[in-house]
Amino acid sequence: GQQLNQSPQSMFIQEGEDVSMNCTSSSIFNTWLWYKQDPGEGPVLLIALYKAGELTSNGRLTAQFGITRKDSFLNISASIPSDVGIYFCAGHRLQGAQKLVFGQGTRLTINP
Amino acid sequence: DGGITQSPKYLFRKEGQNVTLSCEQNLNHDAMYWYRQDPGQGLRLIYYSQIVNDFQKGDIAEGYSVSREKKESFPLTVTSAQKNPTAFYLCASSIDLRPEQFFGPGTRLTVL
Repeated sequence: GQQLNQSPQSMFIQEGEDVSMNCTSSSIFNTWLWYKQDPGEGPVLLIALYKAGELTSNGRLTAQFGITRKDSFLNISASIPSDVGIYFCAGHRLQGAQKLVFGQGTRLTINP
Repeated sequence: DGGITQSPKYLFRKEGQNVTLSCEQNLNHDAMYWYRQDPGQGLRLIYYSQIVNDFQKGDIAEGYSVSREKKESFPLTVTSAQKNPTAFYLCASSIDLRPEQFFGPGTRLTVL
């Protein structure tokens, strides 16, 4: 099945830095979602985006639905140790098999 | 508290044995899903069910079977036909087939 191209695959940053990651696809989606997964746990939904161009925030997290509907971006400002984990993007279409397509994940590591 | 539970957290089985993973939700969600996660990869859909007594194959259904006799429960059986069953298995649910899926804590299956 199709997977989304998510980058970077991993990031090593200092505490307090801002983080940016993105997800791209060759086809359009109607909804983009961003999840965070802690080691050994299930993913937790962070942000959902429903409209091209939409910009949505959740605390220090900001995500955008690309205007082409083929990409999405997630930014984390002023990173803290609890931001460590794997971030996944997921796209959803209204037509055809209505299922989520996931990116491969971005592993975030923070040096204190 | 409403949520999704998976049991057990860790499961060990000998090669050639069938094993059933449990997933229960009390969110009153209609749709339920099973995903497989391998190291460094995104989530891949095994099976999903929109309503009781109905389910559909996902991208990697071979070697797996499911049942949906109750709205709250969606057990997954990993059969001996699954060639590489060692993985982290995640169950999720959603309202109808809405894109926002909520995940359980996962079961790590190791086949020896």
